[in-house]
Amino acid sequence: EIVLTQSPGTLSLSPGERATLSCRASQSVSSTYLAWYQQKPGQAPRLLIYSASSRATGIPDRFSGSGSGTDFTLTIGRLEPEDFAVYYCQQHVGSVSTFGQGTKLEIK
Amino acid sequence: QVQLQQSGPGLVKPSQTLSLACAISGDSVSSNSAAWNWIRQSPSRGLEWLGRTFYRSKWYNDYAVFVRGRITISPDTSKNQFSLQLNSVTPEDTAVYYCARDISARLEYWGQGTLVTVSS
Repeated sequence: EIVLTQSPGTLSLSPGERATLSCRASQSVSSTYLAWYQQKPGQAPRLLIYSASSRATGIPDRFSGSGSGTDFTLTIGRLEPEDFAVYYCQQHVGSVSTFGQGTKLEIK
Repeated sequence: QVQLQQSGPGLVKPSQTLSLACAISGDSVSSNSAAWNWIRQSPSRGLEWLGRTFYRSKWYNDYAVFVRGRITISPDTSKNQFSLQLNSVTPEDTAVYYCARDISARLEYWGQGTLVTVSS
């Protein structure tokens, strides 16, 4: 089973700043099957990025994804107040999906 | 617009079977492009993918290793829904359970979540 390790665990930034979140896989992952999600308290996760770099429907262009192989990055270009949440990466290889443990993005 | 509506009990006794259903609107459980997943979330273990069912000329299932042998995910075409059964539950199975639709492994539509507590 592929393990996804996200860093940092918590990221403290101010609105207007740029956020960079990392997701590292224990073995190579096809970019086609790497996704990022945002979750706010009491809500289900929301798909932000799929295929490592494609934005889901309705996602603002300040969200971008990049990476390949074992290293992937989610970048939020200029933080808005509504962006402070927990972010998860997810991969699907073979017949199994796994999630990272999450990065909490909090207001500094 | 795809919508997923979950139903099922919020309290299950230890050693019994957890059963949840997910009713689909805006798509078909028999879709040849979608797969229908169950995921759970707890503070101690985070998000855990449990498994999925999908139709590609016949029905298939994928299950997470850590629940294999205890889990069944099955479609109900007459009701356009799918269900989760998790046997022999323990308090460690206490979590919020979500159903979700995936296409090419991206989970774009989610149910509202059901908190299931395993307790006597």
